[in-house]
Amino acid sequence: GNSVTQMEGPVTLSEEAFLTINCTYTATGYPSLFWYVQYPGEGLQLLLKATKADDKGSNKGFEATYRKETTSFHLEKGSVQVSDSAVYFCALSAGSMDSSYKLIFGSGTRLLVRP
Amino acid sequence: DVKVTQSSRYLVKRTGEKVFLECVQDMDHENMFWYRQDPGLGLRLIYFSYDVKMKEKGDIPEGYSVSREKKERFSLILESASTNQTSMYLCASLPTTTGAETQYFGPGTRLLVL
Repeated sequence: GNSVTQMEGPVTLSEEAFLTINCTYTATGYPSLFWYVQYPGEGLQLLLKATKADDKGSNKGFEATYRKETTSFHLEKGSVQVSDSAVYFCALSAGSMDSSYKLIFGSGTRLLVRP
Repeated sequence: DVKVTQSSRYLVKRTGEKVFLECVQDMDHENMFWYRQDPGLGLRLIYFSYDVKMKEKGDIPEGYSVSREKKERFSLILESASTNQTSMYLCASLPTTTGAETQYFGPGTRLLVL
């Protein structure tokens, strides 16, 4: 079945450090891939997405590239800020393979950025 | 902007009580979802609905039921709450449009069952 694996946290960084959060997936067909972010006390919001191989999603300085050959969608940011402290979820949707558009989530990675 | 609201941010109930969690979206989306979020497990799908009065089981439906009488409202029901249902519950909605796979989430309800 479809699944998403992401690195365990917490990830603790100093402000302006480089961030990578690893995400790999298992899926049949050609899923769409997402990163969602959850700030303290809030629900999830979409950070970025990619719908086909080699697409790069980007938003707020974050980037992730859909790598079909390595089944990965790693999240990166060149210089993190304290305000980026949150929980980050990698997710996939089988899309046209499953018309329900269900999302399969990874376990989440907590990021703590220190001043 | 899409708005998804949930009836309570925090809820405390006792074992055996019947619990209703309400979710309302204001963008005429056909699809609605209920997830629970637990540390280390991410989000797991409980139930979803792709139309009024339609419902489908997700990955962990046991102990839950749902109701969708109106398009904008999707209710999650715990018939007899148990302590293992203490969790964060998140509702989401999604339009039925080709390629529009982004789900929009509510702020969540943190439920404590004593």
